[in-house]
Amino acid sequence: KNQVEQSPQSLIILEGKNCTLQCNYTVSPFSNLRWYKQDTGRGPVSLTIMTFSENTKSNGRYTATLDADTKQSSLHITASQLSDSASYICVVTANSGYALNFGKGTSLLVTP
Amino acid sequence: DTAVSQTPKYLVTQMGNDKSIKCEQNLGHDTMYWYKQDSKKFLKIMFSYNNKELIINETVPNRFSPKSPDKAHLNLHINSLELGDSAVYFCASSYSPTGELFFGEGSRLTVL
Repeated sequence: KNQVEQSPQSLIILEGKNCTLQCNYTVSPFSNLRWYKQDTGRGPVSLTIMTFSENTKSNGRYTATLDADTKQSSLHITASQLSDSASYICVVTANSGYALNFGKGTSLLVTP
Repeated sequence: DTAVSQTPKYLVTQMGNDKSIKCEQNLGHDTMYWYKQDSKKFLKIMFSYNNKELIINETVPNRFSPKSPDKAHLNLHINSLELGDSAVYFCASSYSPTGELFFGEGSRLTVL
């Protein structure tokens, strides 16, 4: 069964600090992996997409990594800001199917 | 212009009632979805339509019936509402079944 596991479930950090969120998956055959950010009361918005051949991709202060061999991805946030407080969801797409596989998300709180 | 819009944003109703949530996208996408987000913030696929054809129908009670009059619209009708139906329902669309998801702002349903 295709699964996506995210850790930690929740995280609290001080403004200005860095943090790393993890996503492990068993989805096969792999097509792509996306990280979404969901602000409270809003719909999720895509941050990055990682395909099989990509190891690292940056979007401003967000850097995603992918290790297709170990089936792991991480989202690193640099110099966190209060506006980074949100839920971060990892979504892995299989090559063959229509179904997208969602992680349960990591809830990040950045405090002053 | 709002890319994916859903109405109403809030819906409070009594058990046993029938209600509908409407969704429209102006992105020209072929694929549309309904997701349910429970109190634990986990996003779960309910339905997916590609070119007005149903392609995903997860284990959802048949009280839930999606209707896609055209590619730009996917409405959700719910009969005989139950307490457990209380959740935030998100509409989304994508260019293809494996493409980036664009979400609406969500419709918070509260069943009393």
